[in-house]
Amino acid sequence: DVKVTQSSRYLVKRTGEKVFLECVQDMDHENMFWYRQDPGLGLRLIYFSYDVKMKEKGDIPEGYSVSREKKERFSLILESASTNQTSMYLCASSPPGGATAEAFFGQGTRLTVV
Amino acid sequence: GENVEQHPSTLSVQEGDSAVIKCTYSDSASNYFPWYKQELGKRPQLIIDIRSNVGEKKDQRIAVTLNKTAKHFSLHITETQPEDSAVYFCAASRTGGFKTIFGAGTRLFVKA
Repeated sequence: DVKVTQSSRYLVKRTGEKVFLECVQDMDHENMFWYRQDPGLGLRLIYFSYDVKMKEKGDIPEGYSVSREKKERFSLILESASTNQTSMYLCASSPPGGATAEAFFGQGTRLTVV
Repeated sequence: GENVEQHPSTLSVQEGDSAVIKCTYSDSASNYFPWYKQELGKRPQLIIDIRSNVGEKKDQRIAVTLNKTAKHFSLHITETQPEDSAVYFCAASRTGGFKTIFGAGTRLFVKA
């Protein structure tokens, strides 16, 4: 059973803070993704990675960066948190096949920036 | 850019009735169309998918149809049950790519 685990379910951070969201998967998947989920907007891709140390921008990368130093771990970094980054963040992983393979999601991190 | 439109945004049905959610995609190169279900407070999970070489796929009470010419695909749930209540996301992607484009979601309520 694939497990994708996000380090926190809920986070409250102050404007301007540097925020780290961690994601770990245990299925040796090459591909990992960070999405942001907002009501009425669905899931929007922030960044993805198809290999260790490789990263690509998604559709809304502004204000975010990522790190993938190990295959199982993919971190999302908010360099200077702003209130418009208050959202639900979902990590996902998938086996080879890129976007045409099933994505396995973490349980989500609800981030509030005050 | 590519986008996926999903309708309706909210759907309320009586238990036992059918529910239909429709999506339209813009990228004609899309060839993989998954559907994810997200129950309240839980992670999205794949419930069914269809590839562009078939027009219909069925798994018990759920089915998906694809019309490549019109760039439409739909999710059909028959004999709905209260546990079908959730948010459903359609999505589209293409072979060789890494981006999956999601629809905005449909919140389905099944009334007992």
